[in-house]
Parts: sequence; structure tokens; C-alpha cells
Amino acid sequence: NAGVMQNPRHLVRRRGQEARLRCSPMKGHSHVYWYRQLPEEGLKFMVYLQKENIIDESGMPKERFSAEFPKEGPSILRIQQVVRGDSAAYFCASSPDTGESYTFGSGTRLTVV
Amino acid sequence: DAKTTQPNSMESNEEEPVHLPCNHSTISGTDYIHWYRQLPSQGPEYVIHGLTSNVNNRMASLAIAEDRKSSTLILHRATLRDAAVYYCILRRPGGSEKLVFGKGTKLTVNP
Repeated sequence: NAGVMQNPRHLVRRRGQEARLRCSPMKGHSHVYWYRQLPEEGLKFMVYLQKENIIDESGMPKERFSAEFPKEGPSILRIQQVVRGDSAAYFCASSPDTGESYTFGSGTRLTVV
Repeated sequence: DAKTTQPNSMESNEEEPVHLPCNHSTISGTDYIHWYRQLPSQGPEYVIHGLTSNVNNRMASLAIAEDRKSSTLILHRATLRDAAVYYCILRRPGGSEKLVFGKGTKLTVNP
């Protein structure tokens, strides 16, 4: 039973490029959450999605960031025109239902050069 | 979300018990107390949760004060692998689904 799978593990982008981070939730989990962790800082909530729906995007920056969780396939966090300040670890988590514990992936470490 | 307060850091010796405290004086009657931990360079992992009664699982025990204004995560025999940041989080059924992480307690385990 594979856990939450995130890829790539490491991603390097030049300023101005696009970054696409993928997250496959655990089997049977329909709730996906994205978190960002800046160097030496805590985990900050970004967005909560269910299949084909964004439920809570209160933590998403207003520009350049978007997320989706299509009916088929992984959840995608997309960052357009990346800047150095986007360099961070991005973690995805999933849960089977509301109120259940989260299972986190190992994260994608984005470095913007 | 109700706030939790944890010490910034704690230190323990290998194979000794560790008691990680958490204060949540503004907890409401329906808030569950959840604990997660984050090992270095990894994503957080669920440890344990409870409402009123003490809870035990294979990873740890959770002792909840009678007035629920504080709780303690107990690692019965710390190992080097338990070195991590431990987060105490309150979750309210029917409330926001997002977990709100504070700064947590960084646990160092000495060999």
C-alpha cells in the first residue's frame, strides 16, 4: 500500500520558469492538502482540494499559484514565473474523509536559481 | 482555531522516557488533540490523537489533563529515530479541515 507519492523529489527552476509539482494521494483518499515549508520555518497551509473541487484556498498566494485535483490523475500544484522566494519544500497530504488523520508525502524541494 | 503552546526544544537521552507538554487553555469541548512529528528532511507523520481519555498506540501515549487545558505526549523509550519536531494541533469536527501547524517542539535525543 503505497503512501502519498510526490514527484519530483527535487526540482530546480530558473527565475521566470514554471514549476509543476505532482501528488498522488493514498488509495481510497479523496481529500488532498498542500503545505509549504520555507527554510527554517514552519509548515504553512496552502490549499485543500477534493476531486475536481477546491474547498479552501485561503493559504494560496493570490498570483502565480494554482492547484487542481482532477477526476483522474494526481493533484498538481503549479507555480508560474517562479521567483527565488518560492524556493521551499512543498508537502502534499491526503486523508480518506473529513476529520481523519493526514498522511503526508516526502515532499518536493523546489530550488529557484 | 484554538491556540497551542509548546516549548521550543527539549532534550532526552536514548532509551529514557520523554514527556512533551502542550498547553491549550482555550480548547473547546469538541476539539480533538492531535500530535504529528516531522523527522529531518521528511514530511510530517501522524502520531496520536485523543479527546478526553488517555490514549495509547504503538508509537506513543497521550495523557490529557482532566480539564483538557493541557496534554502530554509520552515516548516511553526514546530512540535516536525519535529526534524530530513534534506538533500539538487542535481539530474541531465540522470545522476547518486544514491542520494548522505551530512551531512545535524540537526534540533532540542523545546517544
